[in-house]
Amino acid sequence: ETGVTQSPTHLIKTRGQQVTLRCSSQSGHNTVSWYQQALGQGPQFIFQYYREEENGRGNFPPRFSGLQFPNYSSELNVNALELDDSALYLCASSFPGTQNTEAFFGQGTRLTVV
Amino acid sequence: AQSVTQLDSQVPVFEEAPVELRCNYSSSVSVYLFWYVQYPNQGLQLLLKYLSGSTLVKGINGFEAEFNKSQTSFHLRKPSVHISDTAEYFCAVSSYTGRRALTFGSGTRLQVQP
Repeated sequence: ETGVTQSPTHLIKTRGQQVTLRCSSQSGHNTVSWYQQALGQGPQFIFQYYREEENGRGNFPPRFSGLQFPNYSSELNVNALELDDSALYLCASSFPGTQNTEAFFGQGTRLTVV
Repeated sequence: AQSVTQLDSQVPVFEEAPVELRCNYSSSVSVYLFWYVQYPNQGLQLLLKYLSGSTLVKGINGFEAEFNKSQTSFHLRKPSVHISDTAEYFCAVSSYTGRRALTFGSGTRLQVQP
């Protein structure tokens, strides 16, 4: 069983640019959630995708958008990057069920905006 | 709405000593409770979770946590820590229903000293 993988592991972008982060979910998982973890803080929920549809969103502006593909992999897109977008972006996959509540996290993508 | 408060940002402790990391939560609905660990430059790994039943939950690496509904707390404990337990620990909650996105605390840095 493969785990959650994210790419790239690190990247540096300039303010105003756009970025795409990628996530491959764990085998059999149809739900992907994205989190932003600023330095020294806990992760904050950005949004969740379930069966290719957005299934809930946290307090993030519309320039944060996403996609989920038929194989359940996912992308996070951020437009018009700001310095405060510098953070570790975490992807988590899960298979929601009555008792199946565990989210499996990837290693994250470290984004630096300069 | 849900919130999680981790009362200590840093906890220094000597090797083989016991430790308790404190977590309080607030929620208008019933929640599941989790503790995650994050080692440097890595994603999050689940230590343990409380779904229902016995309020004392045992997890990996010798950690355990006790759910106290009246005090809305979910403190993490280990009777004897090792150098390798040095990491960031996050308490999190998710609701029973809906998207089950995780709400995290700000983290507690456990520093185990020889």
